[in-house]
Amino acid sequence: ETGVTQSPTHLIKTRGQQVTLRCSSQSGHNTVSWYQQALGQGPQFIFQYYREEENGRGNFPPRFSGLQFPNYSSELNVNALELDDSALYLCASSSPGTEKLFFGSGTQLSVL
Amino acid sequence: QKEVEQDPGPLSVPEGAIVSLNCTYSNSAFQYFMWYRQYSRKGPELLMYTYSSGNKEDGRFTAQVDKSSKYISLFIRDSQPSDSATYLCAMSEGNQFYFGTGTSLTVIP
Repeated sequence: ETGVTQSPTHLIKTRGQQVTLRCSSQSGHNTVSWYQQALGQGPQFIFQYYREEENGRGNFPPRFSGLQFPNYSSELNVNALELDDSALYLCASSSPGTEKLFFGSGTQLSVL
Repeated sequence: QKEVEQDPGPLSVPEGAIVSLNCTYSNSAFQYFMWYRQYSRKGPELLMYTYSSGNKEDGRFTAQVDKSSKYISLFIRDSQPSDSATYLCAMSEGNQFYFGTGTSLTVIP
């Protein structure tokens, strides 16, 4: 059974640029959630995707957007990057009907 | 007021000690309660998962939930240096999870 994988592991961008982060869900999981974890903080919910549709969103602006593909993999896109977007971005997959999230190792994004 | 409050520590204990980690919450709609362990620069790993009030034990770990007090705890018995990590409590309402800020634990050999 393969776990959740994320790419890239590290990324450096400048303010105003756009970024795409990728996630492959754990085998058998059809739901993907994205979280932002700032240094010294707990993960903050960005949004969840189920059956290729957004299925819940946290308090993040529209410049944070996502996609889920038929193979359940997912992308997180962030436009017009701001310095405060610097954080660890975590992808988590789960099966419907369970409340157990399984996280990838994350993508560390630095915005300069 | 944050939905979930957790003492960030840091907490430092000698090997073999019993560790107690705690979180409080304000939203009575939370239904599921979890503890995650996070090593430096890694994603959180699910340790314990509970639904109702009471205790749940798994090896050296015991999770305790008191819904009437809106208080959850994680106890680690016979702590090991490999337990050194950040411990995050989490609670869910629907498909949204709310995490504490994490408690940094160091177990000294």
